[in-house]
Amino acid sequence: AQSVAQPEDQVNVAEGNPLTVKCTYSVSGNPYLFWYVQYPNRGLQFLLKYITGDNLVKGSYGFEAEFNKSQTSFHLKKPSALVSDSALYFCAVRSNSGNTPLVFGKGTRLSVIA
Amino acid sequence: DGGITQSPKYLFRKEGQNVTLSCEQNLNHDAMYWYRQDPGQGLRLIYYSQIVNDFQKGDIAEGYSVSREKKESFPLTVTSAQKNPTAFYLCASSIEGKRGEQYFGPGTRLTVT
Repeated sequence: AQSVAQPEDQVNVAEGNPLTVKCTYSVSGNPYLFWYVQYPNRGLQFLLKYITGDNLVKGSYGFEAEFNKSQTSFHLKKPSALVSDSALYFCAVRSNSGNTPLVFGKGTRLSVIA
Repeated sequence: DGGITQSPKYLFRKEGQNVTLSCEQNLNHDAMYWYRQDPGQGLRLIYYSQIVNDFQKGDIAEGYSVSREKKESFPLTVTSAQKNPTAFYLCASSIEGKRGEQYFGPGTRLTVT
């Protein structure tokens, strides 16, 4: 079975400070990992994904994520937060074996305070 | 949101009525998905389809039905059997295969009273 945990419902950070949104996963086989962002009353927007290769993945809007196989984690990071980064962030995973769809975490609400 | 349209944006229905939510994509994607989003519960998969004329139940399919007669379209019917239908519904599509990310529509907010 596949699962994703986002341990923090809410993350608060001051504008200009680095931000981290945490994600851990469980899959059989190797993971394909994704991050999405959702603004109020909108659909989800794709930020970045890890499929294979370099553990540090760079994505849209200055975000990046680091795949850590030993810790089964895929934390989202940004060196300097903007107020406009305030949104709901979702981590998702699927296994590279079988044919199951993406499984999403429950989401983490990020608030960037000016 | 580009490439996937959902209509309407807001939908209001009386309890006991069936309602159909529209989802259309022009991305030539093989796979399409329906999710339900409730506050604090993330996204829960209702149904998905990896090819025309075929679909599979997700985690919370009870009270819902779908069809996939065309590659571009994947309508979701919320039936009167769905006990708590008020929610935000999201449609998504992706290229076939595990590596592709999903692209989401703007969502339909359904309120049943």
